[in-house]
Amino acid sequence: AQSVTQPDIHITVSEGASLELRCNYSYGATPYLFWYVQSPGQGLQLLLKYFSGDTLVQGIKGFEAEFKRSQSSFNLRKPSVHWSDAAEYFCAVEEDTDKLIFGTGTRLQVFP
Amino acid sequence: ETGVTQTPRHLVMGMTNKKSLKCEQHLGHNAMYWYKQSAKKPLELMFVYSLEERVENNSVPSRFSPECPNSSHLFLHLHTLQPEDSALYLCASSQDLKRRRGEQFFGPGTRLTVL
Repeated sequence: AQSVTQPDIHITVSEGASLELRCNYSYGATPYLFWYVQSPGQGLQLLLKYFSGDTLVQGIKGFEAEFKRSQSSFNLRKPSVHWSDAAEYFCAVEEDTDKLIFGTGTRLQVFP
Repeated sequence: ETGVTQTPRHLVMGMTNKKSLKCEQHLGHNAMYWYKQSAKKPLELMFVYSLEERVENNSVPSRFSPECPNSSHLFLHLHTLQPEDSALYLCASSQDLKRRRGEQFFGPGTRLTVL
């Protein structure tokens, strides 16, 4: 069965520091991969998605993610974190016909 | 209103109450979803509707009853819930269930507490 693993439950970084959130997936076919962000009291918002082509994808709010098939990974990165990036981040893989399988999420805390 | 809206945002109910959660999407999408988000667990897909027809029910207890009267509205009727049903209930929509690559648009959720 398809699955998504986010090994880091909680990450703390200083404002201005770089960020990498890890995501590993298990999926037999070509994966369609997503990163969503959830701010406190809000629903999920799509940051970026990978379907095919260039393995480095750019998203909103200065985020990017790199698909590495050999490592079954789709890690999210940002070169310089802002205090407003504090939120929970979810990696997801699309199963058949629009069904998303989510990871357990990584909570990001940003210190000034 | 734009996007996906949910009402109420917060709900406290007793185990013998009956209540309903409402979701409305203003995006012209054909598919709608109910998810349950509990602490420290992945989002759990509960129900999927495509063009008002239920296409997925992930073994959800019968105390949760969905209704999709049209492609813009989705309800979740609740009755005789248990305290472990307390969670954030998220509604989402996407353009077309039959096509992959579908981005899902989420509402802000209803925070449900069952006493």
